[in-house]
Amino acid sequence: DVKVTQSSRYLVKRTGEKVFLECVQDMDHENMFWYRQDPGLGLRLIYFSYDVKMKEKGDIPEGYSVSREKKERFSLILESASTNQTSMYLCASSLFYGRGDNEQFFGPGTRLTVL
Amino acid sequence: DAKTTQPNSMESNEEEPVHLPCNHSTISGTDYIHWYRQLPSQGPEYVIHGLTSNVNNRMASLAIAEDRKSSTLILHRATLRDAAVYYCILSPKDSGGGADGLTFGKGTHLIIQP
Repeated sequence: DVKVTQSSRYLVKRTGEKVFLECVQDMDHENMFWYRQDPGLGLRLIYFSYDVKMKEKGDIPEGYSVSREKKERFSLILESASTNQTSMYLCASSLFYGRGDNEQFFGPGTRLTVL
Repeated sequence: DAKTTQPNSMESNEEEPVHLPCNHSTISGTDYIHWYRQLPSQGPEYVIHGLTSNVNNRMASLAIAEDRKSSTLILHRATLRDAAVYYCILSPKDSGGGADGLTFGKGTHLIIQP
């Protein structure tokens, strides 16, 4: 089975801190994604990557950056955390780029609280 | 992007079939129909997808209307573990250079009564 793991289930940070969220997948998938999920707003795409060192902005990239130095690992970075970035963060991966029949595999999520 | 419309919530009894509807009247001819579900405190998980024909897998069946403007996810025998939010999502067949992420709406909150 494909496994997508995220570094933390729960994280508490202070305003202004630099925050790293790590995601690892073990099935050699090309695509990796970061979403955030907020009540009433559903899941929203922050960034995605279709190859090592490649990244594309999603719907809400402001305040975030990403890094993909290895195929299996995709990091989400909050350069200076703010309270409005308190959310559930979900990482996902899928096999092929540009295919509408791709199945996405999600990690368990990281619930980030910024105080 | 083509949108989907789902009921906010549905209730069913354990061990009975469940039919979850989804309307997607602006679907294009090359959009796949995906269903995902999200159990409490977990990330979403893939359920099934289809393009034109009905599909079956070990989790569920997907019935697609002939005009493709609607679809129905069928859980043949619901269990308490099927209580989740179910999302119906459209995904272009060839997303080309655009974002390959999925657009999740609010989904249907399925409640299973014992």
